[in-house]
Amino acid sequence: GESVGLHLPTLSVQEGDNSIINCAYSNSASDYFIWYKQESGKGPQFIIDIRSNMDKRQGQRVTVLLNKTVKHLSLQIAATQPGDSAVYFCAEKSAWSSASKIIFGSGTRLSIRP
Amino acid sequence: DTGVSQDPRHKITKRGQNVTFRCDPISEHNRLYWYRQTLGQGPEFLTYFQNEAQLEKSRLLSDRFSAERPKGSFSTLEIQRTEQGDSAMYLCASSLGDRDGAQETQYFGPGTRLLVL
Repeated sequence: GESVGLHLPTLSVQEGDNSIINCAYSNSASDYFIWYKQESGKGPQFIIDIRSNMDKRQGQRVTVLLNKTVKHLSLQIAATQPGDSAVYFCAEKSAWSSASKIIFGSGTRLSIRP
Repeated sequence: DTGVSQDPRHKITKRGQNVTFRCDPISEHNRLYWYRQTLGQGPEFLTYFQNEAQLEKSRLLSDRFSAERPKGSFSTLEIQRTEQGDSAMYLCASSLGDRDGAQETQYFGPGTRLLVL
């Protein structure tokens, strides 16, 4: 069945360093991937997305890398700041599934050391 | 504020009671979704609407759950005869769906946290 998972449940990073959060997916039909950030007590906040015809996409301080060969997705955050502390979810959609259903992984909690 | 809003933000109820949550999507968005999130997990899809039509329901949505979007704008999610296992965060999201729909961005509201005693 479909599943989206993460390599590590928690990640601790020194303030100012770069953060890399990894995600593995199993559905080879997945063609759209999204990273969400969720702060305590809030709903998920869209960060960046990538289509399966791309292998890299950059935003402001964030980069998403997609390796379809090994079904791996990563989110890189440059110069991590205290405000980046949150749980990060990767999520995927498949053109073969319902038009709108998003499947989320279980999340990685990012904590920042001062 | 032009984002997705949900009401109430918190709800405590006794087992067996009925509860109803409301979601107001971003005004021009035609698609609206409900998800459930339990502690330490990612959100799980429950159901979605395109305009006023409910197009898909997850197996997670038991007969005690019902969702409506009567005028294609706000939506309500009702849980009848609540059980302790219903305790979770209920999230609403909206998007501007195109014909493809595969690559639209879903924007989430703050959620309604339900505790069933």
